[in-house]
This record gives sequence, structure tokens and C-alpha cells, in this order.
Amino acid sequence: SQQGEEDPQALSIQEGENATMNCSYKTSINNLQWYRQNSGRGLVHLILIRSNEREKHSGRLRVTLDTSKKSSSLLITASRAADTASYFCATVAAAGNKLTFGGGTRVLVKP
Amino acid sequence: ETGVTQSPTHLIKTRGQQVTLRCSSQSGHNTVSWYQQALGQGPQFIFQYYREEENGRGNFPPRFSGLQFPNYSSELNVNALELDDSALYLCASSIIVNLVAGELFFGEGSRLTVL
Repeated sequence: SQQGEEDPQALSIQEGENATMNCSYKTSINNLQWYRQNSGRGLVHLILIRSNEREKHSGRLRVTLDTSKKSSSLLITASRAADTASYFCATVAAAGNKLTFGGGTRVLVKP
Repeated sequence: ETGVTQSPTHLIKTRGQQVTLRCSSQSGHNTVSWYQQALGQGPQFIFQYYREEENGRGNFPPRFSGLQFPNYSSELNVNALELDDSALYLCASSIIVNLVAGELFFGEGSRLTVL
């Protein structure tokens, strides 16, 4: 079973719009990470947020974490066609040594 | 570029055969993890090696086995292949600090098709 579940499963937006996707998880975590995957290729790490952090930014990316609700969100601002990809959240359990991935959100940015 | 390389990139096998997938980790990383990703799904954890010892295993049968070598290269072996083993196999290297996983650096994967 998967620890994290992303919502929505798919998202289609116009270039320049913002894209928001959410991740919910079930057990206590040490950290939560977001990854991007271009069609059938390897995953690329985007951002890591620790359980004692509430928000992090990296360029056009903004991640929030609400441990009371066991949820996280990834916001991509001013999207570009090159942002078209699948985005996955992954959780690391408290004192955990492995990442558990969700099913991903498939984002299509139309030019 | 993550510094993690996998081979082969694509391969086709028939049911019942055996396959070995290889991974070269990023220099200095003490941990390698293997994931299976079926089409349209998220990666599923197979197992992890830390300093050449298995350090955690997901819900995969014993016919999935692995090795990590002193130079931090790694192998995933799958025996008695089944049709459902068709997937993208991803290797990821990392540094575990204080027993907690951090960022993973993924290779581009090996796409296995079982006929």
C-alpha cells in the first residue's frame, strides 16, 4: 500500500497559470519530499520539507506541510509547458530509512 | 544529471527467465534503493542496501534479490520472471544520516518487458 496519495490524479492548465496538487499520508513522518518525473524517465528531487517545517520555497515551487492534517501541497507558480510531468510526494516515516511514494499527479501545461 | 547510471535501459525477457539489472551510484553515497514502477503508478520500494547489507525490504517475494558492492555499485536480480514483473526498475542512491533517509538521486531506469 502507498503512504501518500496525491490529489488530483491529473491536472490540465494553461501556460502562466498556477498548478496546485495535494498529498495526504497516514502515519507520522520525519520528512516529506516532492519529485518530478518526465514521461517514463527517472525521478528528480524537487524539495524536502521536515516535520517541524510548515512552508518551503524553491524558485517557482512552494510546498506546505500540515502535520495535524497529515497533508502537504505543492504549488507551481506561473507554469510553463516544460513543467508538464508527473509529480510524486514521498514520505519518510519517523526514524525511517526509506521513501514511500504516492501514485502521483499528472500535470499537463498547455502552451 | 544525478550521477546515477543504470543498465540496460531496455530489455525483453520471457516468463520464467532470470534478469540482472545494474546500477552505479553517485560517488560518496552509502545507500542504494531499488524501486519498481508499473505503468501509471508510483514507485514501489523493493529493498535498500546500506554499506553492502540489506537495510529494509518492501512487499516483494524472495525471487527479488540484490547486492551492493564496495564501490557502491549495485545489482537487482529477479528469478522466475512473471508477466507482472514488467515495469520500470529505478535505482536511487543517497546518504543516510542518523538512520533517516534524505534526498534520493535516481537513475533513468531499466524498462523490463516480460513476454
